[in-house]
Formats: sequence, C-alpha cells, structure tokens
Amino acid sequence: QKEVEQNSGPLSVPEGAIASLNCTYSDRVSQSFFWYRQYSGKSPELIMSIYSNGDKEDGRFTAQLNKASQYVSLLIRDSQPSDSATYLCAVREGGGADGLTFGKGTHLIIQP
Amino acid sequence: SAVISQKPSRDICQRGTSLTIQCQVDSQVTMMFWYRQQPGQSLTLIATANQGSEATYESGFVIDKFPISRPNLTFSTLTVSNMSPEDSSIYLCSVVVGTDTQYFGPGTRLTVL
Repeated sequence: QKEVEQNSGPLSVPEGAIASLNCTYSDRVSQSFFWYRQYSGKSPELIMSIYSNGDKEDGRFTAQLNKASQYVSLLIRDSQPSDSATYLCAVREGGGADGLTFGKGTHLIIQP
Repeated sequence: SAVISQKPSRDICQRGTSLTIQCQVDSQVTMMFWYRQQPGQSLTLIATANQGSEATYESGFVIDKFPISRPNLTFSTLTVSNMSPEDSSIYLCSVVVGTDTQYFGPGTRLTVL
C-alpha cells in the first residue's frame, strides 16, 4: 500500500522566516512529486512539481527531492501571513495517466 | 491551466438517496479523476474516469456505490449511491493538463443526514 507521511502540525513560523515542510513516501517506484497548497474551504492548488533528485526553485519556493531516502521537502522563504494554509505532499507512481497519493498535509501558520 | 466547474457546489441529502455530481472542463483533457476529502482528512483517489469505457476504481471503491460516466473529453459525472452519513465529504474532480500537471475543481461539499 502506497503511503505518504507528513507531520500534521501545526507548524508555526514567524513572518519573514523560512518554513520547512517535509514528506516521506513508501513506494520506491514513485516518479513524480507535487506540493499543493489548500486554504480552508478551498480546493488544492499546485505550487511545485519535482521529478529529479536535487532542488527546484520557483520564486520563494524550493522543492527538494531525495529518492534514495524517499524524502521530499518544500522550503518557503520570506514567509508571509498569506502562506498560512495546509500543504499537501502528493506522489505519483508513473506519468500523467496515474492518480495522486496524498499525505494528510501540514498545517502551516505564519505569525505576523 | 484549465477552468473546471462542478455542480452542485454543495448539497444536503437524506440517507438512502443518491446524488450525481457533474464536472465540466473548458477544454478537452485526456485524464480526469475523482477524489474524496473526508472532514479533516487529505484527498483519496476514488477512480479514474475513462472516456468511452468503464472507470478504473481504486481499492475500497466500487462501481455500484460510485458509478462514473465520462461521455466525452470535457465532462464527467460521479454518483454517490445509497448514501449514508459516512459519505459526507468533499468530492473533487481533477484533470491533467498537458502531459503532467493535475488541477482540481472547486469541489462539491456533501452532507448526508
């Protein structure tokens, strides 16, 4: 059974600091990894995707992937109160024809 | 990206009844999926909606309970049959745009009394 594990939090970070979110997955054949942000009462929105080992940066966000350790992380630099949300890690075994397996999400709170 | 709409946005239903949820996309997409998000939980994949053929269900979900139709590349329906309070959830459709990126619709919030 595929599993994706996240610390549920809440994770409290001061405004302007770096928020670090972590995720581990059980299925070694997983190929694609995603971070979604979900505000309360809203549907998930895609922040980042990563497919290869290493770092991928997009604005204030950096995704990190280590397939050997089956570990994915998301760093948010210069955290803003608007970043307060639940962050969902999602894993896909193959290509676009496969559905996603989600973790339970980490609730992030940015303190002004 | 794609613009995805769902109907209804929310509903309150009596146990034993059925509800059909519609998902409409503004462009043709190859892959469409249905997910469930139970209160306080993350998303769970129900099935892949296949155009012109039977849906592919994940473990724990069956066609009799969650029949799915996909008559074309822009539209799909999910029916929640013979509902019980345990079916109270948010139901979301998602589509793959391009080769890889998966986007979600706004969701249908279902409450079963």
